[in-house]
Amino acid sequence: DARVTQTPRHKVTEMGQEVTMRCQPILGHNTVFWYRQTMMQGLELLAYFRNRAPLDDSGMPKDRFSAEMPDATLATLKIQPSEPRDSAVYFCASGQGAGNEKLFFGSGTQLSVL
Amino acid sequence: DQQVKQNSPSLSVQEGRISILNCDYTNSMFDYFLWYKKYPAEGPTFLISISSIKDKNEDGRFTVFLNKSAKHLSLHIVPSQPGDSAVYFCAAWRTGYALNFGKGTSLLVTP
Repeated sequence: DARVTQTPRHKVTEMGQEVTMRCQPILGHNTVFWYRQTMMQGLELLAYFRNRAPLDDSGMPKDRFSAEMPDATLATLKIQPSEPRDSAVYFCASGQGAGNEKLFFGSGTQLSVL
Repeated sequence: DQQVKQNSPSLSVQEGRISILNCDYTNSMFDYFLWYKKYPAEGPTFLISISSIKDKNEDGRFTVFLNKSAKHLSLHIVPSQPGDSAVYFCAAWRTGYALNFGKGTSLLVTP
């Protein structure tokens, strides 16, 4: 059963520390997304890749966040330095880019920055 | 700028009755509209979608209606079951762009 895998599931860290979240998209999918879920904003887009190329990262605070796809099987989201306001659930999703963007989501990384 | 809006944060419905979840959008360029369902501690899962050229799509107990002139869509669940209790996200997609989500509506189906 193909699924998007995210690690870690939970992360507690102190303010100022670096946080790295990893995502393995479904094999064969060519689009990868990072979303953040907060109570105030719902699901907000952070970054969007197609064929490993970044297409949209306008929703990401550039001074502290970075997203990459070193290869087709791995996407990373880094926060450096982390701040308490970054506490949220971060979701990775992948899709086939088939035209209606039906996405498959991972289980998310629950991040708490103290 | 929120292009997809779900104005009801929560909804409570009795088992067996109809649940109606609403969604409004502002961008007339969207090509597809989708509904996702999310249980606690899990990622959202795709539920049903509708093309912008259609006005209705049905899948079992779930029906999505699209009113383009009003820029409004709704998800109907009939009959509602306790297992339908979840957060429902409305989403809109435009060619070349990422999915744009609303803030979600938490549905509680009571026995």
